[in-house]
Amino acid sequence: GAVVSQHPSWVICKSGTSVKIECRSLDFQATTMFWYRQFPKQSLMLMATSNEGSKATYEQGVEKDKFLINHASLTLSTLTVTSAHPEDSSFYICSAVRLAGYNEQFFGPGTRLTVL
Amino acid sequence: GENVEQHPSTLSVQEGDSAVIKCTYSDSASNYFPWYKQELGKRPQLIIDIRSNVGEKKDQRIAVTLNKTAKHFSLHITETQPEDSAVYFCAASHSMGNQFYFGTGTSLTVIP
Repeated sequence: GAVVSQHPSWVICKSGTSVKIECRSLDFQATTMFWYRQFPKQSLMLMATSNEGSKATYEQGVEKDKFLINHASLTLSTLTVTSAHPEDSSFYICSAVRLAGYNEQFFGPGTRLTVL
Repeated sequence: GENVEQHPSTLSVQEGDSAVIKCTYSDSASNYFPWYKQELGKRPQLIIDIRSNVGEKKDQRIAVTLNKTAKHFSLHITETQPEDSAVYFCAASHSMGNQFYFGTGTSLTVIP
């Protein structure tokens, strides 16, 4: 159990386009999902906390108008990178929290975004 | 807020030797401490976790210890194998909240 999927796994787009990434908890409900960005050989950088039915909470320095997050259901959160630029190229990973006494966090497989 | 520090940032060991990675945290309210293993280009995988009501937990070659007084916890890998080579992250969380705070990662290389 506790499977988190992410789609797409890899996307290449032209500068100026928008890209949507989906994160799904397949076998459990997640009231909270996290979106991370990871640069090569670096740690996970938390971008935002996505709560079902409410607005996402963004970390300092993350542009909410640039990275739109929607958590429409207990199993789906989406991250839309708007007007993508080459500097947005990165590995984006989502995670979902399963309530089990203590919160357990399970990661999606990640999405590699390349903006040309 | 919580601050998690992790050491060392890189670690090389000979196959069969032990590896130890240490993390400290600042918020005494944190009570859940997972460890993740991330291979290149893949998702972090939970390998072991410990809750604040225990001091040690073991799963085959992997063990984690927790010292609540000193606010530090450690990952121990015994009889290391080349497939243990990866980046390891520690994290701290509180059961009443949703935030996970990650360490900066340790790149472990096991030399055959």
